[in-house]
Amino acid sequence: KQEVTQIPAALSVPEGENLVLNCSFTDSAIYNLQWFRQDPGKGLTSLLLIQSSQREQTSGRLNASLDKSSGRSTLYIAASQPGDSATYLCAVGNFNKFYFGSGTKLNVKP
Amino acid sequence: DTAVSQTPKYLVTQMGNDKSIKCEQNLGHDTMYWYKQDSKKFLKIMFSYNNKELIINETVPNRFSPKSPDKAHLNLHINSLELGDSAVYFCASSQEWGRRRQKLFFGSGTQLSVL
Repeated sequence: KQEVTQIPAALSVPEGENLVLNCSFTDSAIYNLQWFRQDPGKGLTSLLLIQSSQREQTSGRLNASLDKSSGRSTLYIAASQPGDSATYLCAVGNFNKFYFGSGTKLNVKP
Repeated sequence: DTAVSQTPKYLVTQMGNDKSIKCEQNLGHDTMYWYKQDSKKFLKIMFSYNNKELIINETVPNRFSPKSPDKAHLNLHINSLELGDSAVYFCASSQEWGRRRQKLFFGSGTQLSVL
């Protein structure tokens, strides 16, 4: 069974720092990997989707990479801002299911 | 225009009651899901429907029954509520089911508190 782990569980950084969030998974037979942002009391907002044949995806200040063979993905956030404060979750997809990590809670201090 | 909307946002009820949560998506997607998020923030799939047909039914008590009257709606009915049912329930939808481009879109969640 697929297990998804996110490290660290929480992260606090000063504004302007570049940071990396990590996601690891146990079964490399995946279809895709998706990164989400969850704000308190809100649903999940999709940030980036990487298909299994891709190595990375970029959107604005966000860059997500995927290394299937080692079972790892990273989400890189450049020049962090207080508005980036949220919980970030990764989800690994196979044919018809998504398996979620428990998230990294990010706090960007002004 | 809310893409995936679910109601109610908050639900507080007594043990033993029966309650329903409704979900609608206006994205034209074929597949809809119910996820449960526990206190440790883990999201677990409960059910999935594709074109109104049940395709995923995880190990969920029979007290939980999904109903999909059409592709745009997936409701969740819970009988005889228990304390352990307290959680946030999320509805989601996707297109391209079973394909590598499949992307999930979530509703804002229903926080269920059973007293």
